[in-house]
Amino acid sequence: EAQVTQNPRYLITVTGKKLTVTCSQNMNHEYMSWYRQDPGLGLRQIYYSMNVEVTDKGDVPEGYKVSRKEKRNFPLILESPSPNQTSLYFCASSLSTGTGFTEAFFGQGTRLTVV
Amino acid sequence: ILNVEQSPQSLHVQEGDSTNFTCSFPSSNFYALHWYRWETAKSPEALFVMTLNGDEKKKGRISATLNTKEGYSYLYIKGSQPEDSATYLCAFSGTYKYIFGTGTRLKVLA
Repeated sequence: EAQVTQNPRYLITVTGKKLTVTCSQNMNHEYMSWYRQDPGLGLRQIYYSMNVEVTDKGDVPEGYKVSRKEKRNFPLILESPSPNQTSLYFCASSLSTGTGFTEAFFGQGTRLTVV
Repeated sequence: ILNVEQSPQSLHVQEGDSTNFTCSFPSSNFYALHWYRWETAKSPEALFVMTLNGDEKKKGRISATLNTKEGYSYLYIKGSQPEDSATYLCAFSGTYKYIFGTGTRLKVLA
């Protein structure tokens, strides 16, 4: 079954304790991205990756890191989480056609609370 | 800065009403326009992918149109039902860009 898998689904952590949210897709998609969703603000892009070892900042990258060592995985790293990073996070992947992207497939979401 | 705008932000309609909302997007470097349905506590799921100017897509009571020259798409829901309550997102796919709008939150009242 084609899917994007995020883990964990829920996480409560303390300020400053490094954490990683994993994202894996089994569709051989080139394009992967991370979004955060906050009330009234829709989906805001954190980072995206066009392919292995190619990553770039989205609209709200501060406080986050990513890596793309393999095509299927795109982890989101919070080196020193702060309460303003409490949010609902989504990972998504799409096929790149060279001139654009097919529709995005989303993970189940990770609800992160930083206290 | 490329912007994708959706209106209205939120909408309440009575069961049985028909409704529509708008997505406006950059008309340059256009590849595709995607519509998603996003139910509470779930992930967004693709409804339509449209690539050609004048495209019309339909799935049951929901349909969408596309105007790439002027940069807008409409989503229509005929005879709204409570199960249509969700946030409807559009996304612009262009050269090296994939940008979401902020969504229209629809609530259908029984």
